[in-house]
Amino acid sequence: NAGVTQTPKFRILKIGQSMTLQCTQDMNHNYMYWYRQDPGMGLKLIYYSVGAGITDKGEVPNGYNVSRSTTEDFPLRLELAAPSQTSVYFCASSYGTGRSNEQFFGPGTRLTVL
Amino acid sequence: TQLLEQSPQFLSIQEGENLTVYCNSSSVFSSLQWYRQEPGEGPVLLVTVVTGGEVKKLKRLTFQFGDARKDSSLHITAAQPGDTGLYLCAGEDGNQFYFGTGTSLTVIP
Repeated sequence: NAGVTQTPKFRILKIGQSMTLQCTQDMNHNYMYWYRQDPGMGLKLIYYSVGAGITDKGEVPNGYNVSRSTTEDFPLRLELAAPSQTSVYFCASSYGTGRSNEQFFGPGTRLTVL
Repeated sequence: TQLLEQSPQFLSIQEGENLTVYCNSSSVFSSLQWYRQEPGEGPVLLVTVVTGGEVKKLKRLTFQFGDARKDSSLHITAAQPGDTGLYLCAGEDGNQFYFGTGTSLTVIP
């Protein structure tokens, strides 16, 4: 049981390039989330999904896209990377809401846009 | 956007001291979570509180959810170096979570 895995661990992009951050969970969780964490700050929700085929915007969705074709995978797409997207990105999953809402986080992807 | 303010932002104490971290908001949340994050890792859940006024204890850590479900506190008794880390509160509203800016705790041996 690997939990939540993210790839890559580190990436450097040039302005205007695109990339996909991969996230996979093996806990059969319905809910999945993408957050970004800037230095010295808490986490900001980018997108979330409550099940396969369903996605919705969080607090800071601009410049990102997601898809959820399977329960296990929730990739995050960055189009036209900008320096403001330099951050650490965390994927998380949870079984449900309320007392079942414990989020399990991946190890993060550290992205730098130059 | 829901705003969760944590205080203090930084805290450095000696081993054995007690401390309290606060998480305040003007918004009502259906639940509130506390996480601890180590450098280079993702946050790890410590506790979830759901009912207004709820108090939960986890060994030397005591968590309280405000009666109006807008605020919470984390109290650590006899802090140890292993308690060092970034403490984050997160409020649940619908299917979204709003995180506080965090309290960075250093416990000096």
